[in-house]
Amino acid sequence: DVQLVESGGGLVKSGGSLRLSCAASGFSFRTFTMSWLRQAPGKALEWVASISGSSSYIYYADSVKGRFAISRDNTDNSLSLQMNSLRAEDAAVYYCARDYNHDYWGHGTLVTVSS
Amino acid sequence: QAVLTQPSSLSALPGASASLTCTLRSGLNLGMYKIYWYQQKPGSPPHYLLTYKSDSENHQASGVPSRFSGSKDASANAGTLLISGLQSEDEAVYYCMIWHNSAVVFGGGTKLAVL
Repeated sequence: DVQLVESGGGLVKSGGSLRLSCAASGFSFRTFTMSWLRQAPGKALEWVASISGSSSYIYYADSVKGRFAISRDNTDNSLSLQMNSLRAEDAAVYYCARDYNHDYWGHGTLVTVSS
Repeated sequence: QAVLTQPSSLSALPGASASLTCTLRSGLNLGMYKIYWYQQKPGSPPHYLLTYKSDSENHQASGVPSRFSGSKDASANAGTLLISGLQSEDEAVYYCMIWHNSAVVFGGGTKLAVL
């Protein structure tokens, strides 16, 4: 079965950094584009970033460009999101998801940003 | 004007049909886009339902009942998620999504109440 498990969330001060991870299993990880998406409490879904299977193509939402970096390690089936210069508006549950259609999602990890 | 617009709420009776719309911003060619649909229940990650571009190019997620279907209304420049034979378990927020200019865009979501 496809499984995606996020970790690394927590409480961080505004301006601080955090690194999220997503452990993938149950599928050929290297062949799938992977994405990070987020959802602030009571708000709609928001896409953060996507990375192709070989890491050749990387895309970011304008809201995080220059502050966040998505990466992957196909040797240990993991996806990462390095988040720097965090702002209050970055507070959300962060999900990793598989493929262009986001057909599988993890359960998310909560990021809280304090001032 | 937002890229994708969804009505914020919709209510329908059990056993009836519900048509959830996802309107593309004026100037965007509906025919060029695959529209993805997700269901999200409180406290859970989104669940991928289906993709619709045309009658010959569409995909139903494994395990999603056939009473969930997609379509397009060219006159309204909108994609539609049709749910027939509504059940209480269909009560959720439904999001549409497209890939636009190498970025993922979500609609604001429609909260469906099955009264």
